[in-house]
Amino acid sequence: KAGVTQTPRYLIKTRGQQVTLSCSPISGHRSVSWYQQTPGQGLQFLFEYFSETQRNKGNFPGRFSGRQFSNSRSEMNVSTLELGDSALYLCASNRDRAVDTQYFGPGTRLTVL
Amino acid sequence: QKEVEQNSGPLSVPEGAIASLNCTYSDRGSQSFFWYRQYSGKSPELIMFIYSNGDKEDGRFTAQLNKASQYVSLLIRDSQPSDSATYLCAVLSGNEKLTFGTGTRLTIIP
Repeated sequence: KAGVTQTPRYLIKTRGQQVTLSCSPISGHRSVSWYQQTPGQGLQFLFEYFSETQRNKGNFPGRFSGRQFSNSRSEMNVSTLELGDSALYLCASNRDRAVDTQYFGPGTRLTVL
Repeated sequence: QKEVEQNSGPLSVPEGAIASLNCTYSDRGSQSFFWYRQYSGKSPELIMFIYSNGDKEDGRFTAQLNKASQYVSLLIRDSQPSDSATYLCAVLSGNEKLTFGTGTRLTIIP
């Protein structure tokens, strides 16, 4: 069974630009969650999607948004990038929102210059 | 006060000894508790979860939960060099958000 895939794996952008990251969950998993990981703040929850609906949202500004498609694939978008947005963005999928079946993807390393 | 707190370490343990990792949380409504292992440059991997007070064992790993003290721990018996990693404690709060601690870096010394 294929794992969670994220594209691209690495990305370099400049301040003010926008970026879209993609996540394909494990087959059969309908829930996708996004996290930001930085050395200073650790792993922080961004949002969760289940059956194309945002079910939960973390404490991030409105520049961070996401969506989920009917095939459970998800995208997250960050507009007007800031230097502080440089981080590893991790996507995790699980079956029916159960965290004990949650698997993380390899992440997208975003660098904002 | 942070919602989930862990000692950042590094924690150094001799090979074959017991490694003890601790975590405290602030939300008394939390019901589910998870331990993830993250190797350097890799993504987190779920290794244990516990929902009820007491101990839960899985191979060399034991998770312990004390809801009255708002305390979760992970014991690793017979520590191996391959156990060297950062261990993340995560708590699912009453509002269904998964909050992570900043992690404890564990080094097993051969």
